[in-house]
Parts: sequence; C-alpha cells; structure tokens
Amino acid sequence: NAGVTQTPKFQVLKTGQSMTLQCAQDMNHNSMYWYRQDPGMGLRLIYYSASEGTTDKGEVPNGYNVSRLNKREFSLRLESAAPSQTSVYFCASSPGLQETQYFGPGTRLLVL
Amino acid sequence: QKEVEQDPGPLSVPEGAIVSLNCTYSNSAFQYFMWYRQYSRKGPELLMYTYSSGNKEDGRFTAQVDKSSKYISLFIRDSQPSDSATYLCAPKTSYDKVIFGPGTSLSVIP
Repeated sequence: NAGVTQTPKFQVLKTGQSMTLQCAQDMNHNSMYWYRQDPGMGLRLIYYSASEGTTDKGEVPNGYNVSRLNKREFSLRLESAAPSQTSVYFCASSPGLQETQYFGPGTRLLVL
Repeated sequence: QKEVEQDPGPLSVPEGAIVSLNCTYSNSAFQYFMWYRQYSRKGPELLMYTYSSGNKEDGRFTAQVDKSSKYISLFIRDSQPSDSATYLCAPKTSYDKVIFGPGTSLSVIP
C-alpha cells in the first residue's frame, strides 16, 4: 500500500519550459489536491478535485492547469514555467472533500 | 487577518523539555482540529485529530482546543530529537476543506 505517490522527486526547468507533475493514490479516495509550499508561506492550495470529473481553483491557480485523469490520478501542468514557480509541490488525497488529507512525498521544482 | 496563524519559530528546546506549540484562528465555524507533523524534505503527516473543545492525549502528545478564545495548542512531553520537525495546525468546518496554518519549526537539541 503506497498511499500517495508523486513523480518526479526533483526537476530543473528553464524559464518557458513546460512540464507535468504526476500524482497517484491507491486509497480509493474521492478528493485530491495540489499544494505548493514556500518558506514562510506555508501550504497554499493550487487546485483541487472534489471527485472524479471535477476540478476547482484554489488560492494560487495562475500559471497552472490540472487534469483528474481517473479516480487514482491527478496531474498538475506548468505550461510555461517561471522562476516564481520554484517551489516544493505536494499532492494530497482524502476520502471526501471535508475529510483528513494524506500527503505525498513532494516534488522539488527549480525554475532557472 | 489570516484565517489560521502560528508563530513560525524556529523553536529550539533541550531534549526532555515540555514543548508548547500554539495556533490561533478566526473562523468560529471550525469544529475539527488537526495537527500535522512535517519532517524536513517530507510530506506532512497527520499527528492528532480532535473535535470541538477539550483535550486529547496520545502518548507524549496532548492537543488542547479552546473554541471560546479560538486557540489551539499541542503539548509534547519529554521531547526527543526525533520530534524535530515543523508542526502545522489544520482546522476545518463540517462542510469545507481543511485549512493549514503556516507551521512552527521545532528543534529538539540532544
């Protein structure tokens, strides 16, 4: 039972490049989330998916897109990376939107 | 005013000390209160979960909620170097997502 997995663990991009962060959960959870975490800023919600087939913006959605591919997988895409998107990205899942969230190990992204 | 606030620290204590980590919030609709622990370069993990006001104890950890003053505390007894981490308070209502505080960094010195 792996819980929440994220790939890649670490990535370096040049400004303007695109990439997709992958997240998968094997807990049969309905809801999934993407956060970014920066020093002094705590966890900030980028997008979330309350259930398969739905996605909604969080606190800081600009510059990102998401896809809920199926119940297990929720991907985050940066279309044109900017240095301001240098951060640690966490995926999380929960049985339902109002329930406890379980986090993946994170993806460290550096945009030069 | 932010919805959930914590002193960022860092808080540095000697091994064996009693640690008090505090959190304040502004939304009176919060009814469920969680503490997450996050080790360096890892994802947050759920540490404690309480409902409404009162105390909850789990081993060396005690979570305390005072809804009248919108104040949450996490106490760690006999602190160990392995307790060195960032602690995030995370309250929620019965109808919406969890809200995460910015976290307090704790270092327990052997």
